[in-house]
Amino acid sequence: RKEVEQDPGPFNVPEGATVAFNCTYSNSASQSFFWYRQDCRKEPKLLMSVYSSGNEDGRFTAQLNRASQYISLLIRDSKLSDSATYLCVVNDGAGNMLTFGGGTRLMVKP
Amino acid sequence: GAVVSQHPSWVICKSGTSVKIECRSLDFQATTMFWYRQFPKQSLMLMATSNEGSKATYEQGVEKDKFLINHASLTLSTLTVTSAHPEDSSFYICSARRDTQSNQPQHFGDGTRLSIL
Repeated sequence: RKEVEQDPGPFNVPEGATVAFNCTYSNSASQSFFWYRQDCRKEPKLLMSVYSSGNEDGRFTAQLNRASQYISLLIRDSKLSDSATYLCVVNDGAGNMLTFGGGTRLMVKP
Repeated sequence: GAVVSQHPSWVICKSGTSVKIECRSLDFQATTMFWYRQFPKQSLMLMATSNEGSKATYEQGVEKDKFLINHASLTLSTLTVTSAHPEDSSFYICSARRDTQSNQPQHFGDGTRLSIL
C-alpha cells in the first residue's frame, strides 16, 4: 500500500465547475499536510497548507480528517488556468521528509 | 520570488559523463535539503536527505556512490550523478526548509531536466 494515495484522474471538468480531490495517508504520526500544484515539466509549487480546522484560500478549500487519515481539496469556479497536477503531500514531522501522493491530474475545458 | 535556486535547469550529455547539480537557498539557512527524482507521469520520489556538515542519508534503492551529495554550507547542496547512463535521465528537484520554521512547507528549486544520450 502506498503511503499517500490519490486518484490519478484525469478529472475533465468545464470552466466554472466545482471539483474535489481526495487523498489518504497511512502514517498516523504525520504532522503536517499540504497541497502542491505541479504544471507539466515544472517543479511543484505550494498551493496551500492543510489545517485540522479546515482552511480556505479564495476558491480553494482544504480539509483534514486525522481520524480517517484523509485530506481533501475543493476547487470552486474552476478556471482554465487551474489545469495541472495536484499533489497531496505529507510531512512526517520527524525528519521533515515529505511523502508525495501520485498526483491527481485536472483538466479544465472551455 | 524564488527562494531556492537550482542550476542547471537542463542538461544533455553523453553516457559516462558526470553531472553536478547545485541547489541554493537564497535568503535563508537550510541545514537540511532534500533531493527528489521524478520520472515521466510519476510523482516525486525522495532520493536522499542532504545534511550540512555530515553524510547524506539515502533512501532504499538509491546508490550513494552513484549519486554523490555534498552539503558544504548552510545554503548550498550539490548532487553529482556520476558516470550517468540513459536510465538516469529524469527530472531532479531539490527542496529546502528554513531552519527556523519546522513543519512549514518546503521550497522547491526549479528542477533540472537531465537527458543522457
